[in-house]
Amino acid sequence: GNSVTQMEGPVTLSEEAFLTINCTYTATGYPSLFWYVQYPGEGLQLLLKATKADDKGSNKGFEATYRKETTSFHLEKGSVQVSDSAVYFCALTPTNRDDKIIFGKGTRLHILP
Amino acid sequence: DAGITQSPRHKVTETGTPVTLRCHQTENHRYMYWYRQDPGHGLRLIHYSYGVKDTDKGEVSDGYSVSRSKTEDFLLTLESATSSQTSVYFCAIRGALGGAINEQYFGPGTRLTVT
Repeated sequence: GNSVTQMEGPVTLSEEAFLTINCTYTATGYPSLFWYVQYPGEGLQLLLKATKADDKGSNKGFEATYRKETTSFHLEKGSVQVSDSAVYFCALTPTNRDDKIIFGKGTRLHILP
Repeated sequence: DAGITQSPRHKVTETGTPVTLRCHQTENHRYMYWYRQDPGHGLRLIHYSYGVKDTDKGEVSDGYSVSRSKTEDFLLTLESATSSQTSVYFCAIRGALGGAINEQYFGPGTRLTVT
């Protein structure tokens, strides 16, 4: 079946540290991959996406590369800020035509000043 | 979450009472979704709709019903609320708020407490 596994949190880093949040997936076919972010008290917001192998999604200093050979879509940022504290969700749709998104369980990120 | 509103934003109700949550969109999107978010479970799909009067179940549909009588509104009803339905409920739409058609965009959420 289709599934997403992401590292459990919470992840605590100091400001300006390098961030990696691991995400691996299982899917048939050629899925689209997403990272969503949820700030306290808000709904999920699409952070970035990639729709085919070797695509790199990027936004707000975050990046993730679609690696088909390792079935991974790890989220990275070179220098985190306190304002990046949030919950991050990795997700996929099995194909572009799919009705539903499959979410990972989320990783809570705390950035210390 | 531009174009997607949820009401109420907060609600406290008693066990056994019916509760209806409303999701409203202004973008004329065909697909709409209801999720619940609970610690340790991430987001779980309750029901979704692919058009007016067209709905289908998600992974945690027991105890919930939905209705979609017009494109812009998707209602989630708890017929007889239980404490296990205490959660944060999110509505989502699928489609272009400037994006590709398989992305989803979320409302601000409704925090429901069943006492």
